[in-house]
Amino acid sequence: AQKITQTQPGMFVQEKEAVTLDCTYDTSDPSYGLFWYKQPSSGEMIFLIYQGSYDQQNATEGRYSLNFQKARKSANLVISASQLGDSAMYFCAMREENNAGNMLTFGGGTRLMVKP
Amino acid sequence: DAGVIQSPRHEVTEMGQEVTLRCKPISGHDYLFWYRQTMMRGLELLIYFNNNVPIDDSGMPEDRFSAKMPNASFSTLKIQPSEPRDSAVYFCASSLLRGYTFGSGTRLTVV
Repeated sequence: AQKITQTQPGMFVQEKEAVTLDCTYDTSDPSYGLFWYKQPSSGEMIFLIYQGSYDQQNATEGRYSLNFQKARKSANLVISASQLGDSAMYFCAMREENNAGNMLTFGGGTRLMVKP
Repeated sequence: DAGVIQSPRHEVTEMGQEVTLRCKPISGHDYLFWYRQTMMRGLELLIYFNNNVPIDDSGMPEDRFSAKMPNASFSTLKIQPSEPRDSAVYFCASSLLRGYTFGSGTRLTVV
């Protein structure tokens, strides 16, 4: 079974609008962390935001926020006020702290395209 | 800090040749990971090390692939012999606690 599922292969958003990128995960480990990375066309992997399974509040980093719904096992990324530079691939990833060492498991990614 | 440094950035080689990819992790990081990215399979973990010791190499596709970490500041991923299906972007990442930093990747093309 897929541990990280990103159901949106591609998405369009109008510049200056908000967009939500979906991520669902599957784990039996009570202690885990969820990560979002951005990969622009240049290819590097840029860390955006982290949410721990025991964190009480949803993580925020500037225009990025993580809508963490633990019971539904979802960790959606919200980008507010989209900019043209946000056009990129976005990957959700999980680390299971007890079951799988320190490795990150990635979803298939969502390609976001911001329209001017 | 210079970040995770990978070399070369691009490599084009002929089928059957040996290819060596190199990685210098961030100083002080105790985990090092090798990932491969392809359109078909996405980002796959190949192998990872903790304090220079290989922990899990179950993602290494076959015996043609090998990885070493002789010291805390250097790791190599070797493919011998290379095949066209090995064409991909290979990322090295290092980690301390909950932070992961990726290198810029090596784009390998096997013709």
